[in-house]
Amino acid sequence: NAGVTQTPKFQVLKTGQSMTLQCAQDMNHEYMSWYRQDPGMGLRLIHYSVGAGITDQGEVPNGYNVSRSTTEDFPLRLLSAAPSQTSVYFCASRTGQGNSPLHFGNGTRLTVT
Amino acid sequence: QQPVQSPQAVILREGEDAVINCSSSKALYSVHWYRQKHGEAPIFLMILLKGGEQKGHDKISASFNEKKQQSSLYLTASQLSYSGTYFCGTEVYDTDKLIFGTGTRLQVFP
Repeated sequence: NAGVTQTPKFQVLKTGQSMTLQCAQDMNHEYMSWYRQDPGMGLRLIHYSVGAGITDQGEVPNGYNVSRSTTEDFPLRLLSAAPSQTSVYFCASRTGQGNSPLHFGNGTRLTVT
Repeated sequence: QQPVQSPQAVILREGEDAVINCSSSKALYSVHWYRQKHGEAPIFLMILLKGGEQKGHDKISASFNEKKQQSSLYLTASQLSYSGTYFCGTEVYDTDKLIFGTGTRLQVFP
């Protein structure tokens, strides 16, 4: 099982550039989410989705867009990258039930110069 | 809304015990615990749903006090492999958001 797959693993952007972080899962999970991790800040929720066609904002949604056209994929878009978005990004998924564990991807390390 | 974890850091010798606490100001539906090694993704340890429920995972166990909205993670007879950063994640009733604390860094030395 591949689980949760994130691409790319590393990315360097210049300020103002746009890009999409890809996330795919093969476990038929209804729930998918994006977190960013910065030193001393823990994991902060950016956006999440409870199913195809449904997305909602997390704790730190500004500067990011998401869409969920299929159950498997949940891409995260940065429309105009800023140095404050330098971080490690994790995608995670779980079944639709709240009592199920999150499965994390291996992360994308993004640097914005 | 972010849960508060304490302590921020713990240093142990092999075989010693540790307790990590997680508290919230909101009424919680569930508490998750995860461990993350440096440069890796967080790995699931356990979920607690009911007041006073206690779960175990090898020599790691946890409790959830629903009245106080607090959870504690107990690491017994620590091993070198227990080193890492521990995160609690909390989910409030009627939301689908799993919000994490800032983490507790645990270092176990021989």
